[in-house]
Amino acid sequence: AQSVAQPEDQVNVAEGNPLTVKCTYSVSGNPYLFWYVQYPNRGLQFLLKYITGDNLVKGSYGFEAEFNKSQTSFHLKKPSALVSDSALYFCAVRVPSGGYNKLIFGAGTRLAVHP
Amino acid sequence: NAGVTQTPKFQVLKTGQSMTLQCAQDMNHEYMSWYRQDPGMGLRLIHYSVGAGITDQGEVPNGYNVSRSTTEDFPLRLLSAAPSQTSVYFCASSYDAGGSIEKLFFGSGTQLSVL
Repeated sequence: AQSVAQPEDQVNVAEGNPLTVKCTYSVSGNPYLFWYVQYPNRGLQFLLKYITGDNLVKGSYGFEAEFNKSQTSFHLKKPSALVSDSALYFCAVRVPSGGYNKLIFGAGTRLAVHP
Repeated sequence: NAGVTQTPKFQVLKTGQSMTLQCAQDMNHEYMSWYRQDPGMGLRLIHYSVGAGITDQGEVPNGYNVSRSTTEDFPLRLLSAAPSQTSVYFCASSYDAGGSIEKLFFGSGTQLSVL
């Protein structure tokens, strides 16, 4: 089955330190991968996507993600964390479905950035 | 711009009751979908639609019905509510179900409790 996995329920980081939120995927064919962020009591917001090309993808709010085909990973990164980055982060993969496409999400990782 | 509007924001039901969660978007998006969010399980796709009159099942469709009579509206019906349907429900839309699907626009969610 095509899926994404986020192995960490929570990631704790000190403000100013680099952060990494992990994601691995299992899909047939070329993967189309995405990161979304959810702030408290809000819907999800699109952060970035990987379709093809450069393995390092830059997105909103200073986030970037690194695609690694050999390790089937798509980790989210930021060089210097902010307290305001504290939120729930979801990795997602686009999968074909009956001639169309749909997004399948991981379980989510809660990022806590401490002052 | 209103974007994706979900109503109600909160709802409490008794087991066996039926209700409809409303979702409307004003962006002329072809693709609309419903997800439920449960702790530790991330977002799971319930149903989706690629245009007026076209709907299909997602990962967890049992107990839910949808219809798409207009481009703007995509209501989700709970036929006979069960405690297992206690969850937060999100509606999301996108320009189409092809290459643009990855940038989903989410509503703010409906928190449903079934007693």
